[in-house]
Amino acid sequence: QKEVEQNSGPLSVPEGAIASLNCTYSDRVSQSFFWYRQYSGKSPELIMSIYSNGDKEDGRFTAQLNKASQYVSLLIRDSQPSDSATYLCAPENFVFGPGTRLSVLP
Amino acid sequence: EAGVAQSPRYKIIEKRQSVAFWCNPISGHATLYWYQQILGQGPKLLIQFQNNGVVDDSQLPKDRFSAERLKGVDSTLKIQPAKLEDSAVYLCASSLGSDTYEQYFGPGTRLTVT
Repeated sequence: QKEVEQNSGPLSVPEGAIASLNCTYSDRVSQSFFWYRQYSGKSPELIMSIYSNGDKEDGRFTAQLNKASQYVSLLIRDSQPSDSATYLCAPENFVFGPGTRLSVLP
Repeated sequence: EAGVAQSPRYKIIEKRQSVAFWCNPISGHATLYWYQQILGQGPKLLIQFQNNGVVDDSQLPKDRFSAERLKGVDSTLKIQPAKLEDSAVYLCASSLGSDTYEQYFGPGTRLTVT
């Protein structure tokens, strides 16, 4: 079974801090990864995709991929209370992790 | 651009009854997915269509679940008969094509089986 693991949290950070969310995966052939944000009671929303090793930045979000370590992360800079949500990681085989619940404290 | 549409938004049924969900993907999106999301878990892929053909249905409980995508656009997911453990949110998503994996989700249907 190809698995994706995430710390379920909750991860609490103060407003303005950097939130770091991590994801490990077991399928070595995975090439691309996607981060989705899911607010309580809502459906997942795509926020970042990353296809190659290294960093990809989009506004306050930075995704990092290390295929050798089978590890992908999402950094959220200047965290805002509106970032409070569950963050889901998934490779292109659509096996989602359980999600990490992030709470940004005002 | 209109998003993925789903209906109904909520459904309550008794066990052993049947239920159907409908999904209309984003216009032009060839790939359509149905997911089951149980509270506190990540979405679980049930079935993936490419146009009107099935790409992956390995996790679809075929003894009770069925899905179709006639004409390569709208799709329906059916459960017959429902069990208590089918209580979940059923999410439909679409993506542009087989080589693009960015998925856009509909609002979901919350199913409660009593």
